[in-house]
Amino acid sequence: EAQVTQNPRYLITVTGKKLTVTCSQNMNHEYMSWYRQDPGLGLRQIYYSMNVEVTDKGDVPEGYKVSRKEKRNFPLILESPSPNQTSLYFCASSFSTESYGYTFGSGTRLTVV
Amino acid sequence: SQQGEEDPQALSIQEGENATMNCSYKTSINNLQWYRQNSGRGLVHLILIRSNEREKHSGRLRVTLDTSKKSSSLLITASRAADTASYFCATSGYSTLTFGKGTMLLVSP
Repeated sequence: EAQVTQNPRYLITVTGKKLTVTCSQNMNHEYMSWYRQDPGLGLRQIYYSMNVEVTDKGDVPEGYKVSRKEKRNFPLILESPSPNQTSLYFCASSFSTESYGYTFGSGTRLTVV
Repeated sequence: SQQGEEDPQALSIQEGENATMNCSYKTSINNLQWYRQNSGRGLVHLILIRSNEREKHSGRLRVTLDTSKKSSSLLITASRAADTASYFCATSGYSTLTFGKGTMLLVSP
């Protein structure tokens, strides 16, 4: 089944403890992206990647890192999480942004205490 | 930067009625897409309309695009309770997809 898989689905962590949210897609998509969703603010893009080893900042990149060493994987790294990073995170992928819709993962609900 | 803005923020209708949601945006686009999100779940792609298209249909969905007014509308005909969800428009530029804040649709049996 074609899908984007995120792990974990739920995570509670403490301030400052490094964490990684994994994202993997099995559709050979070149484009991958991370979003966070907050009440009243909608979805905001954190980082995106046009291909392997090509990443760029979205609208809210502060406090996050990403890497794209393989086409299928695009992990999101929070080196020192803070409470304002408590949010619902989505990974998405697509063949391209110009002609195709995105496939979204099921989301990761992160709470930083 | 928030590109698309949906209107209304919330919409409540009865089953069988039509639901219309609007989206306005600010800059030029390659295409405009609509997504559905059931509470707290991942977004599901519904339909994509290119900047050189004016209208597109998919099942009970009808999307229009007016690039001169920088606006789009999504019409869901003969709504069902299962259509209850949040609907987002998203505008596609060169390298990114930017979402609006969404319209919450409630369809009552």
